[in-house]
Amino acid sequence: GAGVSQTPSNKVTEKGKYVELRCDPISGHTALYWYRQSLGQGPEFLIYFQGTGAADDSGLPNDRFFAVRPEGSVSTLKIQRTERGDSAVYLCASSSTVTSGGAGEQFFGPGTRLTVL
Amino acid sequence: GDSVTQMEGPVTLSEEAFLTINCTYTATGYPSLFWYVQYPGEGLQLLLKATKADDKGSNKGFEATYRKETTSFHLEKGSVQVSDSAVYFCALSPNSGYALNFGKGTSLLVTP
Repeated sequence: GAGVSQTPSNKVTEKGKYVELRCDPISGHTALYWYRQSLGQGPEFLIYFQGTGAADDSGLPNDRFFAVRPEGSVSTLKIQRTERGDSAVYLCASSSTVTSGGAGEQFFGPGTRLTVL
Repeated sequence: GDSVTQMEGPVTLSEEAFLTINCTYTATGYPSLFWYVQYPGEGLQLLLKATKADDKGSNKGFEATYRKETTSFHLEKGSVQVSDSAVYFCALSPNSGYALNFGKGTSLLVTP
């Protein structure tokens, strides 16, 4: 079956511009996560949705970052006034269950590589 | 806060060698522990997991045991193959939360 998909696969933008990154989770998965992976680092949590609502947005670095999931499926990560330090691979993951004691298995998409010039 | 520390790479081994990648964690409560793998050109995949102390996760010949007394979750494989070349990430999920905290990753290269 189809896995998690992310578009675009690559995005090059100029400093100060606005960008949107899209994530299509596995059909039926209620939980959706965004992570950011800088070069040579592990993924860093940004935000977690359960259904349509953001259950935990504690990882968003500042108010330039915002994410939505209006119908509980597709999610869009929005970055305003991009900065060179925002350059990274943005990963999306989804899971079908959220169990007590921690996350169910998260299935990751291939990521969007964002480059801010 | 909760965190994961894993050994730095790159690690280079000959085929059929024994592999250990060390991972230690700091967490309050009782986290779940994971190893994820990223093969060249592919996305992150769950390799194995353990949800409580003394649990052993295993998959594809890899094993890791949740050791609460040493706060460790070391990844081992008895005989590596060239196809195991990848980046390996140790991760934890706090007991009260659902996001994954990842280590920095360890790059493994297996040569014929």
